Amino acid sequence: AQKVTQAQTEISVVEKEDVTLDCVYETRDTTYYLFWYKQPPSGELVFLIRRNSFDEQNEISGRYSWNFQKSTSSFNFTITASQVVDSAVYFCALSGGRTGNQFYFGTGTSLTVIP
Amino acid sequence: EAGVAQSPRYKIIEKRQSVAFWCNPISGHATLYWYQQILGQGPKLLIQFQNNGVVDDSQLPKDRFSAERLKGVDSTLKIQPAKLEDSAVYLCASSLFDGSYEQYFGPGTRLTVT
Repeated sequence: AQKVTQAQTEISVVEKEDVTLDCVYETRDTTYYLFWYKQPPSGELVFLIRRNSFDEQNEISGRYSWNFQKSTSSFNFTITASQVVDSAVYFCALSGGRTGNQFYFGTGTSLTVIP
Repeated sequence: EAGVAQSPRYKIIEKRQSVAFWCNPISGHATLYWYQQILGQGPKLLIQFQNNGVVDDSQLPKDRFSAERLKGVDSTLKIQPAKLEDSAVYLCASSLFDGSYEQYFGPGTRLTVT
């Protein structure tokens, strides 16, 4: 069975601070996929990144970066120089097997960026 | 490219009534998902279709929930009879091939059961 833990329920930072959102996962599959989604106050989930279990390379996209470490079963997300528009709930998610079944979302981290 | 469409956006019903939600995925997307998101929680997968076959419905309360995907395109999710605890946002998503690909979400249907 899949499991995703996002231990940080709520985080508040002041604008321009860096913030890291933690994600720890459990799976018995050797092939699996990890995702991050953003849910702004408007409610619609927005895809941010996808990683497969064989690619541990860290990724940077603008102010966003992701650190995938299989040794600690973690897939953490860092926002550099946070902005008010980053305020949202962020979900980490996992799907298992070659074709990505049993999709499982974490409980989310609510990020508030204070101007 | 049009996104995932859902209707209605809001629905209020009394307990024991029935309700149906409709979803039209992104054109060409093979896999369609229905999620239930209770306030303050992450989305919970109810059912996953690939084309018109069911891939995963392990968390679908089959005594009251049913879903179908007509001709591998549109999908409907039905609740009959509804309970108070079914109050949630019902999200539809689609992905290009299978669950290893990113999903694109619709705006959701907010259901209130009174």
